[in-house]
This record gives sequence, C-alpha cells and structure tokens, in this order.
Amino acid sequence: DSGVTQTPKHLITATGQRVTLRCSPRSGDLSVYWYQQSLDQGLQFLIQYYNGEERAKGNILERFSAQQFPDLHSELNLSSLELGDSALYFCASSVVGWGAGGSSYNEQFFGPGTRLTVL
Amino acid sequence: KNQVEQSPQSLIILEGKNCTLQCNYTVSPFSNLRWYKQDTGRGPVSLTIMTFSENTKSNGRYTATLDADTKQSSLHITASQLSDSASYICVVGRSQGNLIFGKGTKLSVKP
Repeated sequence: DSGVTQTPKHLITATGQRVTLRCSPRSGDLSVYWYQQSLDQGLQFLIQYYNGEERAKGNILERFSAQQFPDLHSELNLSSLELGDSALYFCASSVVGWGAGGSSYNEQFFGPGTRLTVL
Repeated sequence: KNQVEQSPQSLIILEGKNCTLQCNYTVSPFSNLRWYKQDTGRGPVSLTIMTFSENTKSNGRYTATLDADTKQSSLHITASQLSDSASYICVVGRSQGNLIFGKGTKLSVKP
C-alpha cells in the first residue's frame, strides 16, 4: 500500500458525460501528479500540482481539468467524455529523495488507479 | 525527442530462471533512471532509482544497471517467482523534474 488513495475504483459512464476522479496524497506530500494509461500504452503525464498551485502540464486535453485543495487532495475533472478516454487514471504523490553524490529527485508513489469506461 | 524504448515487449520464463530486461533512452538533460513494477490493473511500484553517478542498484532479487555513456539500463531478475509476473516500466527523469515513461516489458513467469 503506497499510502495514496483514489476513488472511485471503477467508473462506467456514457459519451458526453462529465466525471470527477479524486486523489488523496500520502500524508505530508505536497505534490500530486495525474497520469493516464490507455490499454497497452505507457503512462502519459497529464498534470502536476504542488501545494495547491499548478506546477507542470503534460498531454492534458482541454476537456480535462484538475485542482488541488487546501487539504492537498486533488480532483481530476473529465468532461464531454469520448470513447477514447476509457483508460486507467493514476495519481501519484512525491517526496524528495537523494541519490549518490547528493543529487536529488522526486520519488513518486502511485495510487491504485481509477478505471474509467466510457460507453 | 525524449524517448524511452524497452525490450523485449513481452517475455515468458519458467519459475526459478533468471531474466534481463533492457531499456534504451534518448532523454536530456538526464537526471535519474527508475524501474517500476506494475501488476495488472494496479499502480506502479518503484523498484530502483539511480542517479547519474550510480551504475548499479539492487532491491532483493532485482538488480538494475545504468550506463550513462551508452544511455542504456537493464533490470536483472534472479530466481524468478510466479509473483514476478507483471509489467516492468523503465522511466527516465529529466533535470527539470518531469518523467519520460517507457511502454514496459510484460513478464510472465510460468510454473
């Protein structure tokens, strides 16, 4: 168990609808990342929030939006859903780690994911 | 273009055997390289993270190597177990902080 929680676990909806996915990071982690994983595809980075502020944007569609609340939980909103939006959506939170030689990196811990099916 | 290529795409081995998964990358500026294990339908779990100055790192039966000159990494699994059946994802971190993901190698360990 990574300590990152996501709800719901499964979501089935119809094209054109709007859904909200929720993520709670590990206690103390300020960063939240959202990823999309379509069938047999690699993880695609969508967006990152740090302490309530948008930090980085990846391949996120304009129909998708996200926010991070003061309690650090985050929501990913997907609207005007299309069949191609069916995927696993993961959120991750991170902590700074240190490698040999003093170089730092963000170590990401992934949640269990939300499986979205658009019919 | 920043890319991470993994081979093979899939692999079947017998329980108890060893195997090696490969990762080639063209990512710059390079910061670190990670290997994740992802069980079907679950979130990825970190196995190892190596920064530029590290060329090998172990986590139990998993050993990762990194050659920053040739931009190659490998993940060696020793004495495989049925529970090793999963996708193994190579991920390269850039200095700006963003991650570039490979598509993964799907490993099946058969009894």
